[in-house]
Amino acid sequence: SQTIHQWPATLVQPVGSPLSLECTVEGTSNPNLYWYRQAAGRGLQLLFYSVGIGQISSEVPQNLSASRPQDRQFILSSKKLLLSDSGFYLCAWSPWNTEAFFGQGTRLTVV
Amino acid sequence: ELKVEQNPLFLSMQEGKNYTIYCNYSTTSDRLYWYRQDPGKSLESLFVLLSNGAVKQEGRLMASLDTKARLSTLHITAAVHDLSATYFCAVDMAAGNTGKLIFGQGTTLQVKP
Repeated sequence: SQTIHQWPATLVQPVGSPLSLECTVEGTSNPNLYWYRQAAGRGLQLLFYSVGIGQISSEVPQNLSASRPQDRQFILSSKKLLLSDSGFYLCAWSPWNTEAFFGQGTRLTVV
Repeated sequence: ELKVEQNPLFLSMQEGKNYTIYCNYSTTSDRLYWYRQDPGKSLESLFVLLSNGAVKQEGRLMASLDTKARLSTLHITAAVHDLSATYFCAVDMAAGNTGKLIFGQGTTLQVKP
């Protein structure tokens, strides 16, 4: 069966520091991968999606970037965090553009 | 603008009561998804509605989809405390199923004994 791993679970970072969140999927090949962000008390917003290695599409302009160095690995990064980057970050994968299955999420607090 | 709107956003109900959550959307997607989120946790997939008229039931929850009206409902029957959570509907950004989802604002359900 397929599983998705996301880490770390919680992160507190100072403004201006770099960020790297990692997500890996097991049990499938060539999945579509997604990064979503959930601001406090709000719905989810799609940030990035990828249909293959090195193929990244950004949905909203922002201070973040994403990379897919391997088939089942998706990384969310920032060179310098802003206070507004705080939120709950969720990685997801989807088989054949159907329902998305989410990782456990990373709660990021920028202080 | 692509929108997904849920109502109500907050629902407090007594155990044993019935209620319906509504999800209206503006995209041309013919698929709709319902997710559950417990406080501080990730999203759990509840239902995948794949076509007009689709109806799915799991325990005390039943979801339906009317693609012509661009409306989905999540009906709760005889609510129990364990159903307390936030429920999100989501649709694909476009027809053709890109897998890129737009989420509603979420409906926080509080079931009181």
